Amino acid sequence: DAGVTQSPTHLIKTRGQQVTLRCSPKSGHDTVSWYQQALGQGPQFIFQYYEEEERQRGNFPDRFSGHQFPNYSSELNVNALLLGDSALYLCASSLRTGWWNEQFFGPGTRLTVL
Amino acid sequence: DAKTTQPTSMDCAEGRAANLPCNHSTISGNEYVYWYRQIHSQGPQYIIHGLKNNETNEMASLIITEDRKSSTLILPHATLRDTAVYYCIGPGSGNTGKLIFGQGTTLQVKP
Repeated sequence: DAGVTQSPTHLIKTRGQQVTLRCSPKSGHDTVSWYQQALGQGPQFIFQYYEEEERQRGNFPDRFSGHQFPNYSSELNVNALLLGDSALYLCASSLRTGWWNEQFFGPGTRLTVL
Repeated sequence: DAKTTQPTSMDCAEGRAANLPCNHSTISGNEYVYWYRQIHSQGPQYIIHGLKNNETNEMASLIITEDRKSSTLILPHATLRDTAVYYCIGPGSGNTGKLIFGQGTTLQVKP
């Protein structure tokens, strides 16, 4: 079992550009959540997807959008990048029916906006 | 905003028990308390969770006070590999899989 995988590992973009990050959940998991972690801070919840729909959303602007595919994998899209979007983006997968149980996190994608 | 209070940092001698406290006085009656840790440059890792009763697994023990306003994570025999940021998560999560992380406690295990 490969666990949660994310791609790419690192990414460098310039202000105003758009970026797409990808996540494959742990085998058997149907729910994907995305988090943003700025340097020195704890992860901040962006949104959660289940059954290909956004189910919950944190305090992030509409520039942040996502998608979940029928195979449960997910994408995070960020438009009009700002310098403040530089962060580690983490994907976590879980079972909807077991929300009280552990979430498995991927290694993250390090995004640098210049 | 996070609704947990943890010490910013703690030290522990290798082989000794590490006791990490957390205050979550605003937790509601049906909200779980979760603990995760994050080793440098890796994604957070689940440790343990609980509701009312004390819990133990192969990684740690979780002691929750009777009023549920605070808890303590216990690593019984800390090793150098336990050096990490430990996050206590609870209030506001609503038991929906949304984890609200605070600043966490940086635990340094020393030889």
